[in-house]
Amino acid sequence: NAGVTQTPKFRVLKTGQSMTLLCAQDMNHEYMYWYRQDPGMGLRLIHYSVGEGTTAKGEVPDGYNVSRLKKQNFLLGLESAAPSQTSVYFCASSSLAGSDEQYFGPGTRLTVT
Amino acid sequence: SQKIEQNSEALNIQEGKTATLTCNYTNYSPAYLQWYRQDPGRGPVFLLLIRENEKEKRKERLKVTFDTTLKQSLFHITASQPADSATYLCALVLGNTGTASKLTFGTGTRLQVTL
Repeated sequence: NAGVTQTPKFRVLKTGQSMTLLCAQDMNHEYMYWYRQDPGMGLRLIHYSVGEGTTAKGEVPDGYNVSRLKKQNFLLGLESAAPSQTSVYFCASSSLAGSDEQYFGPGTRLTVT
Repeated sequence: SQKIEQNSEALNIQEGKTATLTCNYTNYSPAYLQWYRQDPGRGPVFLLLIRENEKEKRKERLKVTFDTTLKQSLFHITASQPADSATYLCALVLGNTGTASKLTFGTGTRLQVTL
């Protein structure tokens, strides 16, 4: 099992450019999440999904969109990147609600200039 | 407002000693609390989960306590080793409503174990 994988690992964007981050999991998990991690801020939830075809907003959803067309994939889109979106992005998945641990991917380091 | 506090200063201890990390929270009533380990450049890895009706949980050299009156969790690593050096994150889970387990994370405490 590869667990949770993320592509790309690194990316540099110019302000206003768009991109999509891909998260894939091979554990047949229902729930998937996107977080961003910034120094001194901890991990913050951007969007999450409770199953194929569903998405919901987390703590900091502005400027991002997500899609979960297939159970194993969760895409995070930036339509018009801003320097404030410079961060490390982590995807995670879990199999149960409320009590199960989350499995994290290795992260994507995004820099917006 | 809701807040989770972990000591932002690094904790330096000697090999073989017990490391104790603190997680305090305000204005939450968490149903569960989880601890994760994060190494530089990597994603967090789950370590332990403790429920609100549990006082203590153990796993090998790790022990977690959960005091809902003090609104505090303590994370202990006994017989610490240099390989335990990492950042440790606590995360709160607010209830089980049948939806995804949304975690709220603390900022983490970096542990450095020296020889």
